[in-house]
Amino acid sequence: ETGVTQTPRHLVMGMTNKKSLKCEQHLGHNAMYWYKQSAKKPLELMFVYNFKEQTENNSVPSRFSPECPNSSHLFLHLHTLQPEDSALYLCASSQGGSNEQFFGPGTRLTVL
Amino acid sequence: GENVEQHPSTLSVQEGDSAVIKCTYSDSASNYFPWYKQELGKRPQLIIDIRSNVGEKKDQRIAVTLNKTAKHFSLHITETQPEDSAVYFCAASLSNQFYFGTGTSLTVIP
Repeated sequence: ETGVTQTPRHLVMGMTNKKSLKCEQHLGHNAMYWYKQSAKKPLELMFVYNFKEQTENNSVPSRFSPECPNSSHLFLHLHTLQPEDSALYLCASSQGGSNEQFFGPGTRLTVL
Repeated sequence: GENVEQHPSTLSVQEGDSAVIKCTYSDSASNYFPWYKQELGKRPQLIIDIRSNVGEKKDQRIAVTLNKTAKHFSLHITETQPEDSAVYFCAASLSNQFYFGTGTSLTVIP
């Protein structure tokens, strides 16, 4: 598959569950991002990785834990989430910073 | 930090008319300004972008203008078509940071 892929596409979890979101990019990019998209709010940048190293963490609660094992893969580990964490989580990649970002299709997360 | 404001939040135009969406930003150091289109249920896709050393950029029916002094930039869509109906997001970026506006829902009426 080409571009940026994300799995799962939909996820329902309880507040005590542990789950992980996966993102993979097939574009040879060196930067990857996690965004949260909630209704009526701007896209919120959560984490940024450059060459597998985390360069930005925008005051995200510790119940969200990112992992970037290599430049092509990015994970978001979820633990003891709250109902207000329900949102669309988008992954993106780019070649360097301040360049076009390519987004994945997103994971629609519902926390019960 | 950076603050991006986007107006209007909703916009309806007749097919063939022009649409203009405006954004302001607060950090004069921001140097990259992309515009994304997101159709219902789909991922955001870049439609045009501009860097701080350029004042205007055009790609067929889409154009973006940037006023660095006033710290605002605008998206212009001419000869709108029904397939232009979507949510449009502006963003301001510096290095690895991206700050998005709240989006404009554009409806083109046939």
